[in-house]
Amino acid sequence: DSGVTQTPKHLITATGQRVTLRCSPRSGDLSVYWYQQSLDQGLQFLIQYYNGEERAKGNILERFSAQQFPDLHSELNLSSLELGDSALYFCASSPMTGSWSEQYFGPGTRLTVT
Amino acid sequence: AQTVTQSQPEMSVQEAETVTLSCTYDTSESDYYLFWYKQPPSRQMILVIRQEAYKQQNATENRFSVNFQKAAKSFSLKISDSQLGDAAMYFCAYRSVPTGTASKLTFGTGTRLQVTL
Repeated sequence: DSGVTQTPKHLITATGQRVTLRCSPRSGDLSVYWYQQSLDQGLQFLIQYYNGEERAKGNILERFSAQQFPDLHSELNLSSLELGDSALYFCASSPMTGSWSEQYFGPGTRLTVT
Repeated sequence: AQTVTQSQPEMSVQEAETVTLSCTYDTSESDYYLFWYKQPPSRQMILVIRQEAYKQQNATENRFSVNFQKAAKSFSLKISDSQLGDAAMYFCAYRSVPTGTASKLTFGTGTRLQVTL
């Protein structure tokens, strides 16, 4: 158990809908990362937040947005869903202290768009 | 941009034997970090081993060791005395030295390791 929690574990929804994925980082970790794992794109970095502020952006679609709240939990919002958005979405957290700052991954949320 | 290549989509090893998974990467940076992550059927991402680019000594964690060749931009993972529990997808990952607080991981496409009796 990495200490990172993600809810829900599974999500099935229809095209065109909007969903919210939630992530609670390890206690004390200030940085949260979102990754998408799909069959055709592999594991891709989406976005990073540090202490409430966006710090880095990867291949995140405009239909997707994220935020990190004062209690450090983060939400990834996916809207106007398409079949191709079906994937496993991981959240990871790190303390951002010291150069190593290992990223601890949550169990993921499996999103199925039908 | 950095890229990570894993050229072996699948590998197989017999229990108790040794297997090596390959990884190459492309970067213009001189300092960075490299990782191997394991993803078992549970889909959990588990850090196996990490290497700092400025360290010439290869990292070792119990039965897992790496062969880091900086000039060749190669970072292979050796699993000794393979066990059934080692069966998983293995991802090689690259991370730049954090600039400020930004620090993403770039992953390879993975190698599926099968362990047979």
